[in-house]
Amino acid sequence: KAGVTQTPRYLIKTRGQQVTLSCSPISGHRSVSWYQQTPGQGLQFLFEYFSETQRNKGNFPGRFSGRQFSNSRSEMNVSTLELGDSALYLCASSLYRDSRFYTFGSGTRLTVV
Amino acid sequence: AQKITQTQPGMFVQEKEAVTLDCTYDTSDQSYGLFWYKQPSSGEMIFLIYQGSYDEQNATEGRYSLNFQKARKSANLVISASQLGDSAMYFCAMRGTQTGANNLFFGTGTRLTVIP
Repeated sequence: KAGVTQTPRYLIKTRGQQVTLSCSPISGHRSVSWYQQTPGQGLQFLFEYFSETQRNKGNFPGRFSGRQFSNSRSEMNVSTLELGDSALYLCASSLYRDSRFYTFGSGTRLTVV
Repeated sequence: AQKITQTQPGMFVQEKEAVTLDCTYDTSDQSYGLFWYKQPSSGEMIFLIYQGSYDEQNATEGRYSLNFQKARKSANLVISASQLGDSAMYFCAMRGTQTGANNLFFGTGTRLTVIP
């Protein structure tokens, strides 16, 4: 079966711009979580969506937002990009709200210049 | 709050030898889960093994085993018979359950290099 698909794979943006990243979960999975990975801060939880509702949010500024659609696909948006937003953004899906059964995507590598 | 500590930034192991990657944790939750993930250069996180805090036996999955010492708050990963394909970053992670949160807290990782 198809895995978790994240698009685009790579992205270069300029400071001040905004960006939207997409995550298509495994078919049937209803929970989608997002993580940011940077060399300085490591892997940090951004937010979790289940049945189109945000269930949990990490400690990130309001510039980071997300949503989930009725087909469970999720997008995250970062507005007013800063250099420090350069990171690998990973998405994980699971059938229910249980991270024991996470399947991660390959991530979107965002570079802000 | 949960905290995961991985004190080995890098480790080297000879092919076919066993290696132990260290992980200590701190939490006030009574019920929690501990995970190990592998991250190759491609970027995706690959689940390796899970240990619940109430599991009486150490978890094993093929060549991976988790040495769980609850009193010491440690959850070390043991990889037996290392293979060249094991070269990657390894992350220890924890999920707390008391607050109902589902997210994982990750350590800083250990880069494992397998030498032929």
